[in-house]
Amino acid sequence: DQQVKQNSPSLSVQEGRISILNCDYTNSMFDYFLWYKKYPAEGPTFLISISSIKDKNEDGRFTVFLNKSAKHLSLHIVPSQPGDSAVYFCAASALYQGAQKLVFGQGTRLTINP
Amino acid sequence: DAGVIQSPRHEVTEMGQEVTLRCKPISGHNSLFWYRQTMMRGLELLIYFNNNVPIDDSGMPEDRFSAKMPNASFSTLKIQPSEPRDSAVYFCGTGGDFDEQFFGPGTRLTVL
Repeated sequence: DQQVKQNSPSLSVQEGRISILNCDYTNSMFDYFLWYKKYPAEGPTFLISISSIKDKNEDGRFTVFLNKSAKHLSLHIVPSQPGDSAVYFCAASALYQGAQKLVFGQGTRLTINP
Repeated sequence: DAGVIQSPRHEVTEMGQEVTLRCKPISGHNSLFWYRQTMMRGLELLIYFNNNVPIDDSGMPEDRFSAKMPNASFSTLKIQPSEPRDSAVYFCGTGGDFDEQFFGPGTRLTVL
């Protein structure tokens, strides 16, 4: 069973516009949510996160929104830039036997068109 | 710090052969995770260690897969015997006190 789902495998956005990537989860025990960005031939790199006690976290052009009742989070990138083209993974975290266990979605490939 | 180091970066082998993937975590990080990335399932957690002890190996697909962490600076993921459906990119990630994990560059495994 896929506890974290990214239903859009790909997204194409015009440079300068807003990119919105979505993620749904099923397990209410998750208490921390993260977004990772991945370029080809590289490992994922941390982008932004949000605790379950918040509903919004902003870092420059990136904002993550969390709707706990809907078990939904989204990543907004504005304005989108060509360098934002990458695969974006959302992840949900829960403490399990002393370690934060991350569960990842399938990823969304974002393409920013000039 | 050099970050998480994985070797080899690419591995091509024939079905039935043993494959060993290696990971050197970031110094001081007490959690280590092995993931597999496929098109269909994205990043799947295979196994993770906390303070060198395996905590959860429920993601390991079959008995052909095994992982060890003999000390805080080294871990291996072994597949024996390998099969074509094991072809994927395998990532090692390490974490400290916070939720953020740091990933290595991955090993692209191709089993012919």
